[in-house]
Amino acid sequence: GAVVSQHPSRVICKSGTSVKIECRSLDFQATTMFWYRQFPKKSLMLMATSNEGSKATYEQGVEKDKFLINHASLTLSTLTVTSAHPEDSSFYICSASGRARGYEQYFGPGTRLTVT
Amino acid sequence: AQSVSQHNHHVILSEAASLELGCNYSYGGTVNLFWYVQYPGQHLQLLLKYFSGDPLVKGIKGFEAEFIKSKFSFNLRKPSVQWSDTAEYFCAVNARDNQGGKLIFGQGTELSVKP
Repeated sequence: GAVVSQHPSRVICKSGTSVKIECRSLDFQATTMFWYRQFPKKSLMLMATSNEGSKATYEQGVEKDKFLINHASLTLSTLTVTSAHPEDSSFYICSASGRARGYEQYFGPGTRLTVT
Repeated sequence: AQSVSQHNHHVILSEAASLELGCNYSYGGTVNLFWYVQYPGQHLQLLLKYFSGDPLVKGIKGFEAEFIKSKFSFNLRKPSVQWSDTAEYFCAVNARDNQGGKLIFGQGTELSVKP
């Protein structure tokens, strides 16, 4: 299957700082990337949908000014958590889809964010 | 509201037992249906998917699922589980006319298989 990477895999930051998470599609052009949040023992919650070259579409209840998403190229999307708070601590997962892969979503390994 | 419900939060089976994980959905329109698996420490992987046609779909590793439209269900089955099937399983749906569109996930079912 296709490969999607995330960096970093784990990050610890102090409250009030910002942290950037990268999602890369390594072997296909991803016209659409999705960002999910996964709580312990909970499902994946879609945060936003990002189409290359356009603004992300955020799900209801997700603060777009807090979770900045950029999808500047067909292989890279970034999620920046601004002014992080302890309640932002979570597991963030991206997925990528594109025509070359039949629009199936391929998931990254996730990033564990801990805000102290 | 769009939602996916998985009835079992944690299932414990012995090797060679049969498996059935329930999934029901609520969606205002026709859907595509998916089952994903997340092995410990690994990323989500697609087990199988239903877009149209034969409602009984076969996936990887001996898994299959049946779409029953009248029951809004898409249960996952495997006749004989192995220890290596220990993982978290997620059912998901998206809109039929948007195969690459956003997925709505169920809560997940943790499967533990005893050797």
